Amino acid sequence: QVQLVQSRAEVRKPGASVKVSCEASGYTFTGYYMHWVRQAPGQGLEWMGWINPSGGGSKPAQKFQGRVTMTRDTSINTAYMELSGLTSDDTAVYYCARAESPAVIFLFGWWGQGTLVTVSS
Amino acid sequence: QLVLTQSPSASASLGASVKLTCTLSSGHSTYSIAWHQQQPEKGPRYLMKLNIDGAHSKGDGIPDRFSGSSSGAERYLTISSLQSDDEAVYYCQTWGTASVVFGGGTKLTVL
Repeated sequence: QVQLVQSRAEVRKPGASVKVSCEASGYTFTGYYMHWVRQAPGQGLEWMGWINPSGGGSKPAQKFQGRVTMTRDTSINTAYMELSGLTSDDTAVYYCARAESPAVIFLFGWWGQGTLVTVSS
Repeated sequence: QLVLTQSPSASASLGASVKLTCTLSSGHSTYSIAWHQQQPEKGPRYLMKLNIDGAHSKGDGIPDRFSGSSSGAERYLTISSLQSDDEAVYYCQTWGTASVVFGGGTKLTVL
């Protein structure tokens, strides 16, 4: 079955960067877009952008342009999201989410378990 | 601007049914949406995709108690025979040409 397993919780100081990983299994990794979504404490869901694991092309949401980098390593079926210039407002749980099908790339059919990133001095 | 509007909270009794609403912004009434469930202290879980005609396709293992319907710009999620673990926040989600939007979520309390 489809599984998305994310990396452990991280603590960073303001101004630093963080890189979160998402290891996929149970399907053809290059066949489905992967997205990143975050959730600040007590808040709703916020979409950050997508990556196409097949060619590596990616597009961050407008809010995160210039600050987020999405990459993948097809040899180990893993997607990465790196966020730079961290502030306390970036404290959140970060989720990877796989497209439900190759055709409907913006519909999230599977979610990772989440990675808590805490930004604190 | 593509926006999804949800009521912040809803409640219903154990064993009863509840209908949650997600409203698409003006000019976007034909859009499909998805419903996701987030139980306390857990990540979201995909429930179903819902089209303008009410046709819906559910995620793996989603029970028949969960169903979807549509009317104009409104998309509904109906949960019947409510159980205690249905207590969760329910988010609707849609997408434009190059962006994704979430509703603010409805916190469902099972009494």
